[in-house]
Amino acid sequence: GAGVSQSPSNKVTEKGKDVELRCDPISGHTALYWYRQSLGQGLEFLIYFQGNSAPDKSGLPSDRFSAERTGGSVSTLTIQRTQQEDSAVYLCASSHSPSGEETQYFGPGTRLLVL
Amino acid sequence: GENVEQHPSTLSVQEGDSAVIKCTYSDSASNYFPWYKQELGKGPQLIIDIRSNVGEKKDQRIAVTLNKTAKHFSLHITETQPEDSAVYFCAAKDDYKLSFGAGTTVTVRA
Repeated sequence: GAGVSQSPSNKVTEKGKDVELRCDPISGHTALYWYRQSLGQGLEFLIYFQGNSAPDKSGLPSDRFSAERTGGSVSTLTIQRTQQEDSAVYLCASSHSPSGEETQYFGPGTRLLVL
Repeated sequence: GENVEQHPSTLSVQEGDSAVIKCTYSDSASNYFPWYKQELGKGPQLIIDIRSNVGEKKDQRIAVTLNKTAKHFSLHITETQPEDSAVYFCAAKDDYKLSFGAGTTVTVRA
């Protein structure tokens, strides 16, 4: 079946511009996560959505970052007034349920370069 | 919060030899420990996982061990092949969050 998809796969933008990154989770998965992976680094948690509950935004690095999830499915991560340090790979993952030990399945990521 | 440390950061092995990657975690409440493999330009893919009530799990050439008392877990790859070359991440899950190690770049020399 279809996995997690993300778009665009690559994004080059100028400093100060806004960008939107999209994630389509696996159908039926109620939990959705965004992570950031800087060059040569591990994955940094950004935000978590579960059903209709309020999202856990504790990992967002600044108020320039926001995310929403419409209809419990597709999610958009928005970065306003991008800075060069925002350059990274942004990964989305989904799982059937966040409780217990459910596996998180990752998308291919969006590679963001801020010039 | 959970803190996961992973060693080594790079590992070069001769084809056919074994590779071992070790991770430690800080939160004793963590109960699920997946390992992901990430190839260049791709997202991480789950290769094996272990739950807190199990000490060891094996899947063909890959095995994972967990020592809850010492709060460490390890990935073992036997009979390494060139296609095993990738970045490997360990992670620990507490509630719904995964905390990741910094990754190990494995290179298998032919």
